[in-house]
Amino acid sequence: DAKTTQPNSMESNEEEPVHLPCNHSTISGTDYIHWYRQLPSQGPEYVIHGLTSNVNNRMASLAIAEDRKSSTLILHRATLRDAAVYYCILRDVKYPGYSTLTFGKGTMLLVSP
Amino acid sequence: NAGVTQTPKFQVLKTGQSMTLQCAQDMNHNSMYWYRQDPGMGLRLIYYSASEGTTDKGEVPNGYNVSRLNKREFSLRLESAAPSQTSVYFCASGRDRGREQYFGPGTRLTVT
Repeated sequence: DAKTTQPNSMESNEEEPVHLPCNHSTISGTDYIHWYRQLPSQGPEYVIHGLTSNVNNRMASLAIAEDRKSSTLILHRATLRDAAVYYCILRDVKYPGYSTLTFGKGTMLLVSP
Repeated sequence: NAGVTQTPKFQVLKTGQSMTLQCAQDMNHNSMYWYRQDPGMGLRLIYYSASEGTTDKGEVPNGYNVSRLNKREFSLRLESAAPSQTSVYFCASGRDRGREQYFGPGTRLTVT
């Protein structure tokens, strides 16, 4: 899997938007961009994924740069429950059913009241 | 609908002991995975099973064996536990074609 680079940590205030960046300059044309998060003492949780276009779901939005070398996960209004480690992962789907996830260290998001 | 369940939640072993970690999913997923997570680190893939009857090594398979018992269950066995295997173990399942994975709550294993 291609490599991603994320800041070690970020801070936010409750009810403010949060933009979590991810660089993936070696991304290939078939790599999907996946985001997972891991709350304290829990297993990772799927957040969102996309290929080229921006994506929205009930949890977050994913903004993908035109050249696909970077992306940003957007939490529109952070809550205390959003404090977690956020992982940006590239997933190659050239091999259906074979794809695996390679986790880095992610970004620890701290949310203050 | 319980999702992915793991047993036990906690376990302490002595060096050389063996044990099996159990995982089950009720989402009818074909693919299942075992990861380990060491303190302050991301998850690393131990083994995975793309479908019932098949298993493949991941990034860190040494010291582990797996069994895909049926479509629902995927177990991880430590034959002779070592302190280096102290970790949190997560099981996950997912549909095919690189779609999202769903994780269990984890098993916290300490080997003394």
